[in-house]
Amino acid sequence: EVQLLESGGGLVQPGGSLRLSCEASGFIFSTYAMSWVRQAPGKGLEWVSSISGSGGTTKSYADSVKGRFTISRDDSKNTFYLQMNSLRAEDTAVYYCGLRTVDYWGQGTLVTVSA
Amino acid sequence: QAVVTQEPSLTVSPGETVTLTCGSSTGAVTSGHYPYWFQQKPGQVPRTLIYETIVKHSWTPARFSGSLLGGKAALTLSGAQPEDEAEYYCLLSYSGVPVFGPGTKVTVL
Repeated sequence: EVQLLESGGGLVQPGGSLRLSCEASGFIFSTYAMSWVRQAPGKGLEWVSSISGSGGTTKSYADSVKGRFTISRDDSKNTFYLQMNSLRAEDTAVYYCGLRTVDYWGQGTLVTVSA
Repeated sequence: QAVVTQEPSLTVSPGETVTLTCGSSTGAVTSGHYPYWFQQKPGQVPRTLIYETIVKHSWTPARFSGSLLGGKAALTLSGAQPEDEAEYYCLLSYSGVPVFGPGTKVTVL
């Protein structure tokens, strides 16, 4: 059974940083691309970033986070990450990790950017 | 950046059929956009219904089907049930960059 478990969300001040983690199980993690998708309160879904499988050599980002967010993965830990820097109020959202784009979803972790 | 379009809202009577569409500002939607369809109920995590235009997951009810229709991706719900009331999002990929549509609120009434 595929399972995705996010962690790392919380309250952060504008300009601050957070690192989200997503631990995967139930499939051969290293071979699959993985993604982050977010949903601001009361809003729709927004793709944030994706990383390729087999080493994560290909990374892509939404324009809204490019230069501020970094996606990475550690296949030895079946985990991938989203390092979020220079956070803004508009980054406030539930962040979901996903297998590919997106076949399976994690439960989400809330990131709140507020003073 | 491409813009994905969906109907803002649709209403369907129980047992009837409704078709949701997903268009692209760049032109006709093709299988090369790898269309996805997601269902999200209030307070819940999105659930993937359809991927790569027509492929269902094991949990996708048989009454949902995906297709290409008139230059758009389409999600057809045949025989709507009260539990199908939800927000439905499509997603299209543009050279590996995914873009979500704004969602369609489906009311079963």
